[in-house]
Amino acid sequence: DAGVIQSPRHEVTEMGQEVTLRCKPISGHDYLFWYRQTMMRGLELLIYFNNNVPIDDSGMPEDRFSAKMPNASFSTLKIQPSEPRDSAVYFCASRRAGSNSNQPQHFGDGTRLSIL
Amino acid sequence: SQQGEEDPQALSIQEGENATMNCSYKTSINNLQWYRQNSGRGLVHLILIRSNEREKHSGRLRVTLDTSKKSSSLLITASRAADTASYFCATDHNQAGTALIFGKGTTLSVSS
Repeated sequence: DAGVIQSPRHEVTEMGQEVTLRCKPISGHDYLFWYRQTMMRGLELLIYFNNNVPIDDSGMPEDRFSAKMPNASFSTLKIQPSEPRDSAVYFCASRRAGSNSNQPQHFGDGTRLSIL
Repeated sequence: SQQGEEDPQALSIQEGENATMNCSYKTSINNLQWYRQNSGRGLVHLILIRSNEREKHSGRLRVTLDTSKKSSSLLITASRAADTASYFCATDHNQAGTALIFGKGTTLSVSS
């Protein structure tokens, strides 16, 4: 089975540019999560979806960040305009439905984003 | 803020030795999960322990959970160079348990 697929794997862009990160979750998974990982702050939950509906976006740092899930097999995380402090590794994860966090999350290999 | 905090932050051992990592958390949980992250890769689920369980085994992994102390430990026995990675504990982000919150991890280095 294919795992969670993220693209691009690496992105280098200049400050002020729009950045779009993409994620294809595992087929049949009902939940999709976006995380950001930095040395200073560790792995932070940004937003997650259940059946394509955003459930909790309280981790999204600013209005410059937005996420969509137009269908069950695709999600995007957009940063506009980007800033150097957005540099991090962004992960997408998905999991099956289940009660009380009893389902493991499956992670993609991340997008390493560098904003110059 | 992090719900789980791992200890130690870094651990260096020789092949064949056992590695123990600890995780402390703040609020009551439904389950606790451990993940591994190899350099440049995403996290991989290792094991889940439910709040009513005290110990669980999976191959060379042994996880314990003490809900009275709000702590868990991950023991890797007979470590191998391939076990070199960062290890994270994860607990409930909310009461419904629909999301996880991760600690900052323990970086394990196993030298041959």
